[in-house]
Amino acid sequence: DTGVSQNPRHKITKRGQNVTFRCDPISEHNRLYWYRQTLGQGPEFLTYFQNEAQLEKSRLLSDRFSAERPKGSFSTLEIQRTEQGDSAMYLCASSLASADYEQYFGPGTRLTVT
Amino acid sequence: LAKTTQPISMDSYEGQEVNITCSHNNIATNDYITWYQQFPSQGPRFIIQGYKTKVTNEVASLFIPADRKSSTLSLPRVSLSDTAVYYCLVGDSWGKLQFGAGTQVVVTP
Repeated sequence: DTGVSQNPRHKITKRGQNVTFRCDPISEHNRLYWYRQTLGQGPEFLTYFQNEAQLEKSRLLSDRFSAERPKGSFSTLEIQRTEQGDSAMYLCASSLASADYEQYFGPGTRLTVT
Repeated sequence: LAKTTQPISMDSYEGQEVNITCSHNNIATNDYITWYQQFPSQGPRFIIQGYKTKVTNEVASLFIPADRKSSTLSLPRVSLSDTAVYYCLVGDSWGKLQFGAGTQVVVTP
């Protein structure tokens, strides 16, 4: 049973650099979600895809953030010109569209911007 | 989406039952109540969902009174491994989950 996987698990970068994270969802899931979580807070929604279509983006997703899911399978989240405020855990989740209340989360990518 | 209010933290001993109550006074007719659990350094995990009365699965029970303005997640006979943050979410479309700060449950021996 392969769950949602994310790579890398940890990323340390200097302010101003670009970073890219990858998420591999559960294979039969057509929905894929990105969230961001900071210490002591619940996850905050960033964006989600149904197959390759990006259906919704949060206001949190500034112009420096871009997400893709080119073939409806894996997804990437890129942050350009990172800022210290981008330091957080980035979580990916997937689900069936018919059961989107039950999302399966990956272990997350912890980003530290120095 | 209806706003939810739940306690910030709860402490319990092993073997006890833990009940976490979530208030959602503005719940709409079509809204469901869903609970997630998050262990340290892991993503959240779906526990249970309900609309009214009582729902039970292998992990927990969810009690929802007739007015649906609150709900109670019940964890029977907790163990140390139940130490986690528990989130209550309310909504009718779940493309995006809206998490609050959750309830930190700490189980001690």
